[in-house]
Amino acid sequence: AQSVTQLGSHVSVSEGALVLLRCNYSSSVPPYLFWYVQYPNQGLQLLLKYTSAATLVKGINGFEAEFKKSETSFHLTKPSAHMSDAAEYFCAASGRSSSYKLIFGSGTRLLVRP
Amino acid sequence: GAGVSQSPSNKVTEKGKDVELRCDPISGHTALYWYRQSLGQGLEFLIYFQGNSAPDKSGLPSDRFSAERTGGSVSTLTIQRTQQEDSAVYLCASTLTIETGELFFGEGSRLTVL
Repeated sequence: AQSVTQLGSHVSVSEGALVLLRCNYSSSVPPYLFWYVQYPNQGLQLLLKYTSAATLVKGINGFEAEFKKSETSFHLTKPSAHMSDAAEYFCAASGRSSSYKLIFGSGTRLLVRP
Repeated sequence: GAGVSQSPSNKVTEKGKDVELRCDPISGHTALYWYRQSLGQGLEFLIYFQGNSAPDKSGLPSDRFSAERTGGSVSTLTIQRTQQEDSAVYLCASTLTIETGELFFGEGSRLTVL
């Protein structure tokens, strides 16, 4: 069964520092992969997605993620953290056929220190 | 409205009672998902509807949980004989097709079982 693992329930960075949020998936067939963000007291919104085109995907607010099949990873990065990036980030994966069940990781809360 | 609508937004019930949670997806969206988000936890997949296909119920935690989608639109999640561990926020999301990756989430229904 498809599963998504996010390493680190909390990540703390200084403003201006690199943001790296880790995500690994388990699947013999590369799934569709997504990152969602949930700001405090708001609903989830799509940050970026990988569906089969370029392996380096750019999203909103300067975030990007790289699909690495050999490592079954889809880590999220941002070169320079901003205070407004503080939120909870969820990695998600979906199958490509028969079932498009979308499975989410447990989430990583990003804290940005001034 | 333009977004996914869920009702009630808050529900407090006594252990052992049945509850119904409603989701009104975005018009035209053929896929509908239910998730459960417990305090400090990620999103737990419950059930997925796609068009007229049989739903993927693989995430329902017990036979006390059931869901239906009438006319390919509105969905109702029913929890029978509620238990305290059912307390959570129940999120509904819809999308036109999973390939687009963008699930549109409702505000959620917060269930508290006393």
